[in-house]
Amino acid sequence: NAGVMQNPRHLVRRRGQEARLRCSPMKGHSHVYWYRQLPEEGLKFMVYLQKENIIDESGMPKERFSAEFPKEGPSILRIQQVVRGDSAAYFCASSISAGNTIYFGEGSWLTVV
Amino acid sequence: ELKVEQNPLFLSMQEGKNYTIYCNYSTTSDRLYWYRQDPGKSLESLFVLLSNGAVKQEGRLMASLDTKARLSTLHITAAVHDLSATYFCAVEAGNSGGYQKVTFGTGTKLQVIP
Repeated sequence: NAGVMQNPRHLVRRRGQEARLRCSPMKGHSHVYWYRQLPEEGLKFMVYLQKENIIDESGMPKERFSAEFPKEGPSILRIQQVVRGDSAAYFCASSISAGNTIYFGEGSWLTVV
Repeated sequence: ELKVEQNPLFLSMQEGKNYTIYCNYSTTSDRLYWYRQDPGKSLESLFVLLSNGAVKQEGRLMASLDTKARLSTLHITAAVHDLSATYFCAVEAGNSGGYQKVTFGTGTKLQVIP
């Protein structure tokens, strides 16, 4: 069984560009979580999605950030008009359903230059 | 809202010594995770603890869980340089929305000095 797959693993964007990070959950998992880790900090919850629904986006910055988990395909975390402060590692996690173990992906490192 | 506190935040220890990292959390948990992270790298899953009194050991690391005290410990025995990394505890708990959420501690940066 493949684990949670994230791509790209490393992404460099210039200020003002858009960044798209993709997360394919484990097979059969319909719950996806995104976390952000700023340099030298812990992981902070951003958003929780189920297929086609955003359940909790309480950790998402109000502007420029959006997430989706369509019926088909991976979950996408989209950051518009990136700024240097968006440079961070973004981790995705998935679970088969509520109450089951959550598994983390390898992370995507975004660098804004 | 669930709060997860780790201490110490930084730990510098000599090889061969023993030490314990503590993880306190504020509400009932369903699972507690310990992860290791090397600089610029992904999370490495170390332990998943489910029930009160659970104890798991892998090499020089041993994790335990006391759900009544809302406390988990990660004990390091006879530290070696290769254990230098940042260690995170993370607590999975249900919330008012009826779903599970994992909240991470601040991390403990461990440096083992030869």
